[in-house]
Amino acid sequence: DAGVTQSPTHLIKTRGQHVTLRCSPISGHKSVSWYQQVLGQGPQFIFQYYEKEERGRGNFPDRFSARQFPNYSSELNVNALLLGDSALYLCASSPSVLGTSGSWNTGELFFGEGSRLTVL
Amino acid sequence: LAKTTQPISMDSYEGQEVNITCSHNNIATNDYITWYQQFPSQGPRFIIQGYKTKVTNEVASLFIPADRKSSTLSLPRVSLSDTAVYYCLVGSNYGGATNKLIFGTGTLLAVQP
Repeated sequence: DAGVTQSPTHLIKTRGQHVTLRCSPISGHKSVSWYQQVLGQGPQFIFQYYEKEERGRGNFPDRFSARQFPNYSSELNVNALLLGDSALYLCASSPSVLGTSGSWNTGELFFGEGSRLTVL
Repeated sequence: LAKTTQPISMDSYEGQEVNITCSHNNIATNDYITWYQQFPSQGPRFIIQGYKTKVTNEVASLFIPADRKSSTLSLPRVSLSDTAVYYCLVGSNYGGATNKLIFGTGTLLAVQP
């Protein structure tokens, strides 16, 4: 079975440009989360989507946006790129929402290999 | 959301048992404790998850004391391929609207021959 796939694997952009990163979750997984990992640090949560709805947002500026499609794939968009946006962007899928209001779901996160973004 | 504290790095030799402890003093009643492993330029990989006492699977054990303010990941007989960063996470979403899981800086485990 295919795991979480992300594209592109590597890309280089210049300051002020826009970037779109794509993620295909494991078949049957309806929840997708995005993380940013700067070199030497742990992944930082950006967004979580479930059934095409945003279910969680981390402490990132409005330049970051995402969406989930009917087939549960997802896109992460970053506008007006800054040098500090250079990072490994990770997508993770899970078979259910990471916690629904009123209940806890201990679903395991399955990560892709990431998209390495370099902003010059 | 509970913050975790782990040692920045640990060294070990092949064949030894390695124990990595994580402190999470502010863990909430509904929080679970999860450990992930990450190799360079790869996404994190789930190792083990628990709520209390002891959990064991084919790769690791997780020990959680009664007060749940800390947890210990135990890797039996490590090999060179266990050299990686290990992250401890706590989280839940009971009654909340957000689902973010917080990764700390992790523990870099270096296994030597």
